Amino acid sequence: GNSVTQMEGPVTLSEEAFLTINCTYTATGYPSLFWYVQYPGEGLQLLLKATKADDKGSNKGFEATYRKETTSFHLEKGSVQVSDSAVYFCALSHYNQGGKLIFGQGTELSVKP
Amino acid sequence: NAGVTQTPKFRILKIGQSMTLQCTQDMNHNYMYWYRQDPGMGLKLIYYSVGAGITDKGEVPNGYNVSRSTTEDFPLRLELAAPSQTSVYFCASIPEGSGNTEAFFGQGTRLTVV
Repeated sequence: GNSVTQMEGPVTLSEEAFLTINCTYTATGYPSLFWYVQYPGEGLQLLLKATKADDKGSNKGFEATYRKETTSFHLEKGSVQVSDSAVYFCALSHYNQGGKLIFGQGTELSVKP
Repeated sequence: NAGVTQTPKFRILKIGQSMTLQCTQDMNHNYMYWYRQDPGMGLKLIYYSVGAGITDKGEVPNGYNVSRSTTEDFPLRLELAAPSQTSVYFCASIPEGSGNTEAFFGQGTRLTVV
């Protein structure tokens, strides 16, 4: 079946450090891929998405490229800020699955000043 | 713009009690979902609905029930609460089910069963 695997957390970085959170998936065909972010005490919100191979999603300085050949969608940011501290979820959705999302386990990021 | 609203935000239940988690959205979305979030486990789908009067089970439906009498509301019912249902519950909605649409989430309900 479909699944998503993320790198284990928590991840602790200093401000202005480079961030990578790894995400790989297992799915048939060409699912859409998403990164959602959950700030403390809040619900999830979409950070970025990519709907086909080689697409790059970007938002707020974060980027992720849909790599079909490696079944990956790694999240990157060149210079993190304290305000980026949150839990990040990688997820996929298939066109024939009624919009249901399959999530990775989440990666907690803590950025220190 | 309210989006997806969940109530209550927090609740403590005793084993065997029942309760209803409320979810309402004002975006006229057809598709609605209930997920539970357990530490280190990501979110798991409990139930979903593709429109008023239509509901279906997700990955972890046991111990829960839902109804969808209107487009706006999608309540989740817990009967005979058990400690295994201690979790954070999120309601979400999307306008259509193509699989490439942003999902909108409520702020969550943190439930503890003791």
